[in-house]
Amino acid sequence: SQTIHQWPATLVQPVGSPLSLECTVEGTSNPNLYWYRQAAGRGLQLLFYSVGIGQISSEVPQNLSASRPQDRQFILSSKKLLLSDSGFYLCAWSRGGRAEAFFGQGTRLTVV
Amino acid sequence: QKEVEQDPGPLSVPEGAIVSLNCTYSNSAFQYFMWYRQYSRKGPELLMYTYSSGNKEDGRFTAQVDKSSKYISLFIRDSQPSDSATYLCAAPSSSGSARQLTFGSGTQLTVLP
Repeated sequence: SQTIHQWPATLVQPVGSPLSLECTVEGTSNPNLYWYRQAAGRGLQLLFYSVGIGQISSEVPQNLSASRPQDRQFILSSKKLLLSDSGFYLCAWSRGGRAEAFFGQGTRLTVV
Repeated sequence: QKEVEQDPGPLSVPEGAIVSLNCTYSNSAFQYFMWYRQYSRKGPELLMYTYSSGNKEDGRFTAQVDKSSKYISLFIRDSQPSDSATYLCAAPSSSGSARQLTFGSGTQLTVLP
């Protein structure tokens, strides 16, 4: 069976510090990978998606970037965090050609 | 106008009640719909998916799509306190070879024991 791991679960970072959130998927190969941000009462906002190693599409211009160094690894980064980067970040995967996405448990980021 | 609209609630019902959760959508190209359940501080969990119009039943859950009115519903029979969560509807759009989901903002449900 497939599993998705996302860490850390909670993170408190000062403004201006760097960020690295990691996500890995097990039990499948060549998944489509996604980073979402969820704000209270505003649903899920797609930030980045990837269909393969090194292939990243950005949906929303922002202070964040994503990378996919390995087939089942997806990383969300920032060089300098802003207060507005606080939120609940979710990694997800789907099989190629399928719409069903499967989510990790999320990282709650608080920038102080 | 958002492509998928959902009443945020909160919705509070007594245990055993039938719950109706609803979404409307504006994009006629949507052919496939999903419901996710999200417990507090957790990631969303895929609950059900359905194609086109009609009903799909899975245990106490029934997903219904009415394409003529662009209306999708999730019914929960014999609701339990463990059903207390936020329910998100979603529909995919295509972009290249990746499929992306458009989510509603979620309805928060509380089932009171």
